Amino acid sequence: GENVEQHPSTLSVQEGDSAVIKCTYSDSASNYFPWYKQELGKGPQLIIDIRSNVGEKKDQRIAVTLNKTAKHFSLHITETQPEDSAVYFCAANSLGGNTPLVFGKGTRLSVIA
Amino acid sequence: DARVTQTPRHKVTEMGQEVTMRCQPILGHNTVFWYRQTMMQGLELLAYFRNRAPLDDSGMPKDRFSAEMPDATLATLKIQPSEPRDSAVYFCASGLVNEQFFGPGTRLTVL
Repeated sequence: GENVEQHPSTLSVQEGDSAVIKCTYSDSASNYFPWYKQELGKGPQLIIDIRSNVGEKKDQRIAVTLNKTAKHFSLHITETQPEDSAVYFCAANSLGGNTPLVFGKGTRLSVIA
Repeated sequence: DARVTQTPRHKVTEMGQEVTMRCQPILGHNTVFWYRQTMMQGLELLAYFRNRAPLDDSGMPKDRFSAEMPDATLATLKIQPSEPRDSAVYFCASGLVNEQFFGPGTRLTVL
């Protein structure tokens, strides 16, 4: 089955700097890669996703890149703000359609004002 | 603003007691997932349903866990009997095509 590795496990950046979180996956059949943000005491919130037919996707300060050959994808947050502090999870779906996600272990991002 | 709701938000119980968690998926979503989150294992799938039919419950200990969808607006996850190792946050998520939207979770503590 699918296995998703996520790095780093913790990340501290100064406000205004960029943050990058990287994930690798094992199943070449995976074709959907979402990113979730989880704040303390809340459920994971979908912030951006990318499908295998696209190499990059942007939404304001966040972007995701996908390299299918290398089987890795990354989340980029620019101009970080204190409210970006949270745990971020990457995930992959290897079966297509609306099927269970396999999650990375998460990255705790701290943005220091 | 459509969202997944879960009740209760917190539950503290003693070992051996029955626990029932409830989830109301987003109206119109045909797929419902139950995930469990722990520090050690992260987010893991327990079971999921499509159009109310169970598709995969291989992540659940079958002797103590059960999941059902009595109707399209309600999914339940039951643990009987509960054990301390069941302490975790249980999330329900619903979706239609690819995106999955999570509820706020039920934090379960079994003493």
